[in-house]
Amino acid sequence: NAGVTQTPKFQVLKTGQSMTLQCAQDMNHNSMYWYRQDPGMGLRLIYYSASEGTTDKGEVPNGYNVSRLNKREFSLRLESAAPSQTSVYFCASSAVGGHRHQYFGAGTRLSVL
Amino acid sequence: GQQVMQIPQYQHVQEGEDFTTYCNSSTTLSNIQWYKQRPGGHPVFLIQLVKSGEVKKQKRLTFQFGEAKKNSSLHITATQTTDVGTYFCAGGGNTPLVFGKGTRLSVIA
Repeated sequence: NAGVTQTPKFQVLKTGQSMTLQCAQDMNHNSMYWYRQDPGMGLRLIYYSASEGTTDKGEVPNGYNVSRLNKREFSLRLESAAPSQTSVYFCASSAVGGHRHQYFGAGTRLSVL
Repeated sequence: GQQVMQIPQYQHVQEGEDFTTYCNSSTTLSNIQWYKQRPGGHPVFLIQLVKSGEVKKQKRLTFQFGEAKKNSSLHITATQTTDVGTYFCAGGGNTPLVFGKGTRLSVIA
């Protein structure tokens, strides 16, 4: 099993460009999450999907949209990238909400110039 | 909303010294989870504590959950260079996990 797979691993964007970060898990997990990690800020939740068909905002949702395409896939879209969105993005999944631990993907390192 | 504070932010130790990181929540937690992130890597789950006063050990790592279920600690005995990384606590329950900002551990050989 691959676990949680994120693509791409690295990306450089110009201000105003759009892109979608892809995430897929093969563990049949119900819940999926998107985090961003900045130096000294820990992991901040952007959006999450408690189950297929639902999405909810996390701590820092502004400038992002998500789609829970099916049980396996959860994508994060930046419609108009800004330099403040330069970060490392992690996707994670878990069996059930906050009661089970999360499995993280390898991350996407995004730079917005 | 729920907040999870973690201290210290950084810790530099000589190899062989002990290390402790502390986690405090503004609210009572259903459970506390600990993760480790190696430099350049992704967070990896270490352990979950559920019961008040619970203590669990993994080799040189000792995890404690406070009696009031609002604080937790991770203690590493005799650190090794393989312990380098950032340790995160995360408070769990009915809402998504809330992560602390982490403690970055450096080990000087």
